[in-house]
Parts: sequence; structure tokens; C-alpha cells
Amino acid sequence: SQQGEEDPQALSIQEGENATMNCSYKTSINNLQWYRQNSGRGLVHLILIRSNEREKHSGRLRVTLDTSKKSSSLLITASRAADTASYFCATARTDSSYKLIFGSGTRLLVRP
Amino acid sequence: DVKVTQSSRYLVKRTGEKVFLECVQDMDHENMFWYRQDPGLGLRLIYFSYDVKMKEKGDIPEGYSVSREKKERFSLILESASTNQTSMYLCACRRAGGPPEQYFGPGTRLTVT
Repeated sequence: SQQGEEDPQALSIQEGENATMNCSYKTSINNLQWYRQNSGRGLVHLILIRSNEREKHSGRLRVTLDTSKKSSSLLITASRAADTASYFCATARTDSSYKLIFGSGTRLLVRP
Repeated sequence: DVKVTQSSRYLVKRTGEKVFLECVQDMDHENMFWYRQDPGLGLRLIYFSYDVKMKEKGDIPEGYSVSREKKERFSLILESASTNQTSMYLCACRRAGGPPEQYFGPGTRLTVT
């Protein structure tokens, strides 16, 4: 079964609005990462949060992690049309931190 | 910046053909990965290589093999391509013992007819 599951599967917002994506996972993790994929391209690493962290910021990105609920959220503030992409969470398990388990992704459309 | 390149962006092969997908990275990273990406399923790990000549099966290795003769190059081989191997294939690398994030190539969209 999938380790990471994103919610919603698709999100459409107006430029300037905030976008929130959620990720749930099943097993104990070492860290959780978020990646972005532009249409038909490879993935680009956005941000990593370790299991002992609760919140992390990077520019317009804010990630939270709740290990008791086994969930994470990615917030993109003041979205731009260029943020249109698919976003994936990936978890690194405590027993094999180099192996990432990816969710099925959230497709974000930012309308100009 | 790490650069990961894949030999083809698009590839069309016939059922039963032997297919080679090549991945090259220029940053001397020890770990390399092959994933396939299918709609609704996310990325699934096919094979992983710790270092030169080292390999480990991922979650879906059936029908695939790999080769890592040089540190910078990791090849995925479909011994006898089948239509259910039509997919997007993504290569990634990571420095052993370094930050856990992986660096991805642009992907190869393979169609098997």
C-alpha cells in the first residue's frame, strides 16, 4: 500500500491565494520531503522536515509535521501561475532512510 | 548543481524488444535509483544502487535488471519489453551519508506497443 497519500488529488486556485496540500503516511519515519514536478519533467526537491521538527519554512513554503497523526501539510502562500505543478510527499523510513516512498501527488493549478 | 541526464525523453519499442535506459549524473554521488511513475500510483522504486557494481531490488523489480559499471552511470534494462511496462521512468541520485534529498533526471516516457 502507498506510504504517502496526498489530499486533495487536484486543487485549482486563483493567483495570489494560498494553496494547502496534505500528506498522510503509515509507518515511522526519519524525515518527510516534498517534491514538485512540472508537467512531463523530473521531480525537484522543495523542502525536508525531520521527524523531530514540527514546522519549517522556506520562502513562500511552509511545511508542518504531526507525527502523532502521521500527517504533514505543505502551504504555498501568495501562489503564482508558475507554481502550477504536481506536488509529492515522500517519506524516508527509520529502517531505510535512503529509500523514499512517494505518494500519488496533488495536481495544483494556479489560474492567472 | 547536480545534473542528472537520461538518454531519451521519449522512446517507443515493440513487445519483446530488449530496452536500455541510461542515466548519467555528474556529481560523484554514490547512490542511484530507478523509479517508474504511473498515474494514481506515484513513484515506485524499481532498483537501487549503493555504489559501483552494488544493487538492491526495490518494490517492483520484476521484468527489470540494472547495471552500474561506473559511478556516474546507472542503466535500467528491460530484458523483454511488455505493454505493461509502458510508463514514465525516472532516475535519481543522492550522496551517501549526505542530505537525504534525491536529485532527479527529466524522465524517459517509454511506450511499448
